[in-house]
Amino acid sequence: SQKIEQNSEALNIQEGKTATLTCNYTNYSPAYLQWYRQDPGRGPVFLLLIRENEKEKRKERLKVTFDTTLKQSLFHITASQPADSATYLCALGGDGGTSYGKLTFGQGTILTVHP
Amino acid sequence: GAGVSQSPSNKVTEKGKDVELRCDPISGHTALYWYRQSLGQGLEFLIYFQGNSAPDKSGLPSDRFSAERTGGSVSTLTIQRTQQEDSAVYLCASSLAQRGETQYFGPGTRLLVL
Repeated sequence: SQKIEQNSEALNIQEGKTATLTCNYTNYSPAYLQWYRQDPGRGPVFLLLIRENEKEKRKERLKVTFDTTLKQSLFHITASQPADSATYLCALGGDGGTSYGKLTFGQGTILTVHP
Repeated sequence: GAGVSQSPSNKVTEKGKDVELRCDPISGHTALYWYRQSLGQGLEFLIYFQGNSAPDKSGLPSDRFSAERTGGSVSTLTIQRTQQEDSAVYLCASSLAQRGETQYFGPGTRLLVL
């Protein structure tokens, strides 16, 4: 069955360090992968999208990589700040080139950045 | 412009009752999605609508769940004969299209079935 695993439920780091979150998947051939941020009591907010033919995307302090051979995405937040503390969700879409809009989400990683 | 709105924000109901949850997508967005998030669980896809195409209902957990989208805009998710395991946050999202576009989420409706 399809499975998406995010490396850990919780990640604690010091302010200024780089946070690295991992998303691994099995039995899935995504056309694209997205990362979302979710704060308590709020809906997820889109951060980055990377397509199957792309290796890396950057946006300000955020970087995402996508390795379809390893079936893994890494999400990096550089120069982390306490305001980056939130739950981060990876989501896969377009499995096998079909159901293009349907997203399958991982369980999320709770990131806490300590001052 | 306004984002995705959902109502009610909270709903408490008794087991066996029917509930209706409403979603107002961003104006002009042709795709609309419903997800469910249970405590400690990830987001679970329920259904999505794209323009005039038949909706993808593959995520609906049982025939007690149904959804419709009127006039290509507002959507209603209906849960009949609610059960305690239906308690969750129901999230709606919309996007310009369905080809891997950004999904914009509403704040969710927190449903508690007693």
